This record gives sequence, C-alpha cells and structure tokens, in this order.
Amino acid sequence: GAGVSQSPRYKVTKRGQDVALRCDPISGHVSLYWYRQALGQGPEFLTYFNYEAQQDKSGLPNDRFSAERPEGSISTLTIQRTEQRDSAMYRCASSPRTGYSNQPQHFGDGTRLSIL
Amino acid sequence: AQSVSQHNHHVILSEAASLELGCNYSYGGTVNLFWYVQYPGQHLQLLLKYFSGDPLVKGIKGFEAEFIKSKFSFNLRKPSVQWSDTAEYFCAVIAHGSGNTGKLIFGQGTTLQVKP
Repeated sequence: GAGVSQSPRYKVTKRGQDVALRCDPISGHVSLYWYRQALGQGPEFLTYFNYEAQQDKSGLPNDRFSAERPEGSISTLTIQRTEQRDSAMYRCASSPRTGYSNQPQHFGDGTRLSIL
Repeated sequence: AQSVSQHNHHVILSEAASLELGCNYSYGGTVNLFWYVQYPGQHLQLLLKYFSGDPLVKGIKGFEAEFIKSKFSFNLRKPSVQWSDTAEYFCAVIAHGSGNTGKLIFGQGTTLQVKP
C-alpha cells in the first residue's frame, strides 16, 4: 500500500490476555519504529529495527513486551499477560534509510489498545 | 536523558489570528528537529523538519519554524490560522549520539482549536 498499515485499528481485551499488534511498513523502507502514546502525552519510543535486526529495544517497558521483524518487512509487537496500564495508542513508523538521515519517519494510523 | 518540552497544552484562537507554539529540547549535541501534526481521525503527518542549513524552515500549509540553537528552541509559527488547522501538534527531536537509531523524542503535544 501507499502508507504504513497497522492492524487492528482497535483492540479491546481482558487483563491477562496476550495481544499481537501488526505493522506493515511502506515497501522498501529499511527502518521500522514502534512508539506508545498514552492519553494526553506524546509518543514514546519502544523499539527500532534496521531490516530484520532489532537494534534498539531500550524503550520496551518490561519483559512482557517483545517485537520481531523476521523478514525485514512486517513487524509484530506482542504484549504478554496484558495489564490495564498497557492501554494506549501504539504507533508504528517506517523510514527509507537507517538511523540518522534526512528522510523523516512515516506513521501509520496506530492501534488503540484497551485493557479491561 | 534528552527531553522535549512544549509550552502550551491547549491553545484556542480565532481564524486569521497568528500562531506560535513553543518547543524546547534538552540536549547539547547535534539534533534534527521536527513538527508533526495529527488532524482529527488521521495519522501523524510531517509538517516540517530541520536537519541543517538555514535555521528558518518552511513547511506545508504556510507553517514555518525557527531553530535557535542558543535557546535550544524550535518554535512553530503561522501568520494567519484557519479553521482547518485545528489539530494536535507535536514537536520532536532526534538526538545524535550512540546507537544511530534515529528514534524520535516527542513533546507532550499541543492541541490547537481554531474558532471559525
């Protein structure tokens, strides 16, 4: 597609369940980022992929959060044993080059996650 | 740790009024600077960016921003706002340093409401 695609757009689940959020970046984009945005706040960095390599996961809040990008394209962010504090908008972004460059990140519509 | 501060959380203006949204960052090294906008129901879109050169950058829809290195600021301006500018505005920074991931550090956002 023309832009970054995220699915599902909305996810409501009960506390304790596992969830998987998907991101399909713009075709050919090398870099892929995950961010989390709480209500009333700006997005916060979670993790970064350069092709299939997860080069920075410093923003993942704890070991319940994991991400993968096995073929260097689609990425999945997985949250295990969800808690109410995990409720947020999860945003994915992609960029055509690695790391610092003059190419900005393009964002998807996000997944709104609500934990009951 | 690096951080970005946006001075105004909620701004209300009448059409044709001038706009200035403040943004300051805390980092002494090289930075790339961005303003992103999120219109209601849409994804984050790039408004403008600064990488190097002329510190006064022009973006889409008549917006501009000025990078003042001595003040660690990157304020957004528009001489005359329109009702269609109603949106949430985010200032963001890439702080050059170890890792070379290009991750964005966002401010908390400013909600702009323009009254017709």
